[in-house]
Amino acid sequence: AQTVTQSQPEMSVQEAETVTLSCTYDTSESNYYLFWYKQPPSRQMILVIRQEAYKQQNATENRFSVNFQKAAKSFSLKISDSQLGDTAMYFCAFGPGTYKYIFGTGTRLKVLA
Amino acid sequence: DVKVTQSSRYLVKRTGEKVFLECVQDMDHENMFWYRQDPGLGLRLIYFSYDVKMKEKGDIPEGYSVSREKKERFSLILESASTNQTSMYLCASSMRQGSNQPQHFGDGTRLSIL
Repeated sequence: AQTVTQSQPEMSVQEAETVTLSCTYDTSESNYYLFWYKQPPSRQMILVIRQEAYKQQNATENRFSVNFQKAAKSFSLKISDSQLGDTAMYFCAFGPGTYKYIFGTGTRLKVLA
Repeated sequence: DVKVTQSSRYLVKRTGEKVFLECVQDMDHENMFWYRQDPGLGLRLIYFSYDVKMKEKGDIPEGYSVSREKKERFSLILESASTNQTSMYLCASSMRQGSNQPQHFGDGTRLSIL
């Protein structure tokens, strides 16, 4: 079965510091997609970053970057220069090439002033 | 920007009622999804639809049905609401090309069944 595991239910980080959220997944597929989504309190879930499994290069979007280790089936999210607006629930998601996603259980991140 | 609109942010219903949750997207997306979000369980797929009148069961379809009569609208129906269906419900849409496409989410409906 394909699964996504986020082992950190809650994390906190000081403003301006760097934090890494972990995600591991299990699949026998060779081609797939990985995503990080952000859900701020009482607000809409939005896409943060996307990684295609066949690409070696790690994706980057401004202060957000990923560390994609395909052999280890690991897909962590690094947030640099954390801001108060980064406070949110973060979900890792795996897209195995069908219509469906498989989501992790989420990591609640709190950025402290 | 893609807009996915869910008809209610908060909804309170009674056990045994038939409940309709509506979702409309404005970007001509082929795929639409209904998820349930519970603390510690993440998002679980209830149903999805890849075309008008087409639907497939997700991971937790029991107690739910869906309707997609028009491309832009995807409805979730709780046939006879029960207290264990109290949850946050999220609708999403994406382009046809499959799971490489990001999903766009609505604001969610927090449903309470009393």
